[in-house]
Order: sequence, then C-alpha cells, then structure tokens
Amino acid sequence: KAGVTQTPRYLIKTRGQQVTLSCSPISGHRSVSWYQQTPGQGLQFLFEYFSETQRNKGNFPGRFSGRQFSNSRSEMNVSTLELGDSALYLCASSIGTAFDQPQHFGDGTRLSIL
Amino acid sequence: EDQVTQSPEALRLQEGESSSLNCSYTVSGLRGLFWYRQDPGKGPEFLFTLYSAGEEKEKERLKATLTKKESFLHITAPKPEDSATYLCAVLNNYGQNFVFGPGTRLSVLP
Repeated sequence: KAGVTQTPRYLIKTRGQQVTLSCSPISGHRSVSWYQQTPGQGLQFLFEYFSETQRNKGNFPGRFSGRQFSNSRSEMNVSTLELGDSALYLCASSIGTAFDQPQHFGDGTRLSIL
Repeated sequence: EDQVTQSPEALRLQEGESSSLNCSYTVSGLRGLFWYRQDPGKGPEFLFTLYSAGEEKEKERLKATLTKKESFLHITAPKPEDSATYLCAVLNNYGQNFVFGPGTRLSVLP
C-alpha cells in the first residue's frame, strides 16, 4: 500500500515569491493535514482538510492557505515568502479526521528561502 | 495556552539498557496525547494515542503511560534501530490544534 507522497522533495525560492506544495494521501484517507517543522519551533500544525473542507487551523498567517480536491489530494500555498518560511513542510493523512485517527506522514518538502 | 515539554533533550543508551522518556503537558482539557517517532529525513511515524489518566499502551519494546500531567515512554532493552527522535503531542477538548513537544533524541549504541 503506497504511503503519503509529497512533491517536490526540495524547493528553493526567493523572498516575495509564492510556492505550491502537493500531497497525495494514502488511498481511502479523507483527511489531509499540513505541518511546518523548523529547528527552532519544532513541529507546528498548519491546517486540516477533510472532504474538501478546512476543518481546523493552527496559528499561522493568512499567507498560508490550502485546498483539497475531490480525490483527497491536497495542495498548500504560501504567498509572499519570507526567510522565516524556510522549513520542512509535512503532510499527513488519516482515514477519519486527524484528531480522531492516527495520522500517517509523508517525508516532507524541504523549502529553502533565499 | 497549551504547552508540551519533553525531557531529556537527548539520551544515549547502550543496547539493552532500559530507560524512560518524559512528556509533560498543560492543556485545557485533554482530548488525547500522541507519541510519534521520527527518523532523520523522514516524517513522523505514529506510535500511540492515550486518552485518559491511567491508560497504558504497548508495542514491542515500547510502553506509553499517562497521568494527569505527564506521559512516559518506557523503552525496554532497546536496540540500535530504536534510535530516533520521539515526539509527543497533545490535543485539547476544543480539538482545534495539535501542540507538539520539542522531542527527545534517542541514540542506542551497539
């Protein structure tokens, strides 16, 4: 059974640009959550999508947004990139909502901002 | 504000040397406490969910326990393949946001 797939694995952008990251969940999983991981702040919850609707959101500015498609695949967009956005972005999927079911993580997209 | 701390920050054990990792939390009503392990360059791997004080769960050499203020991850007779960063996270009853601890980096030497 294929795991959670995130693309691309690595990305380099410059300040002010925008970026879109992609996540394909495990087949049959309806929830996709996004996380940011940095050495200083650790792992932080961004938001969760379930059946194409955002269900929960962490404490991140509106520059961070996402969406989920009917096949459960999800994208996360970050606009007006800042140096502090350099991080590992992780996607996780679960059968039910993320808060009620174990989450399965992908290996992340490492985003570097120059 | 919900908070999670983990100790120690790093732990080195000899193969077979049992020990415990600590996760202390403050949360406005605990809905669940989660343990994950993360290998370098990989995403976290789910280990356990605990819901109420007194609950215990086991998986191979790992056993997680929960009190009203903290959780312990006991590692019995660890092997080098148990080397990883162990993360705990809490979810409050409002169910809006996972809060993760900084992790404990475990190294098991052969």
